[in-house]
Amino acid sequence: DAKTTQPTSMDCAEGRAANLPCNHSTISGNEYVYWYRQIHSQGPQYIIHGLKNNETNEMASLIITEDRKSSTLILPHATLRDTAVYYCIGAYSGAGSYQLTFGKGTKLSVIP
Amino acid sequence: SAVISQKPSRDICQRGTSLTIQCQVDSQVTMMFWYRQQPGQSLTLIATANQGSEATYESGFVIDKFPISRPNLTFSTLTVSNMSPEDSSIYLCSVWTEETQYFGPGTRLLVL
Repeated sequence: DAKTTQPTSMDCAEGRAANLPCNHSTISGNEYVYWYRQIHSQGPQYIIHGLKNNETNEMASLIITEDRKSSTLILPHATLRDTAVYYCIGAYSGAGSYQLTFGKGTKLSVIP
Repeated sequence: SAVISQKPSRDICQRGTSLTIQCQVDSQVTMMFWYRQQPGQSLTLIATANQGSEATYESGFVIDKFPISRPNLTFSTLTVSNMSPEDSSIYLCSVWTEETQYFGPGTRLLVL
């Protein structure tokens, strides 16, 4: 897996957009950027992933820079339930036999 | 997507005893992964379980301590043997489906 760097923690006001950055300067051309989150003591929850193009789903948007060295996860309207640790992971996809390697992630606190 | 269930959801055990954790997936998958998450830490891969063959263990984890069974394509068990307080963790099973890795809700183990 590509090494990723994320801020240790971030705060976001409830109702505002949460923008979580991730640096992955060593990511290879075939590695995807995955985002997961873990709400206290629960299993990690898949959020979104992408290769080159920006992606959006019902949970979030993923913006990947053109050189693919960094990305930003955007939660458009953060709620208190979005308080969690967010993990950015660079990994190959669909191999079926390849496990993701989790770093320390960013602890996002959504503040009322 | 994949829906993963684990039993038990939590347990409190005495040192020296063993606990078997069950993982059930709602679809057939080739490989299942077992992770451990110690308090305040990120996820660490214990082993990869392929149906019909012995599990492959990561460095620092051995079969005698963490025996794994994989009797079919939807089910696996992880046993934590001869437990000590250092085994107090969340244990998670995980599978790949399509391009994404999904996680179970976890089993919270406290060893006294």
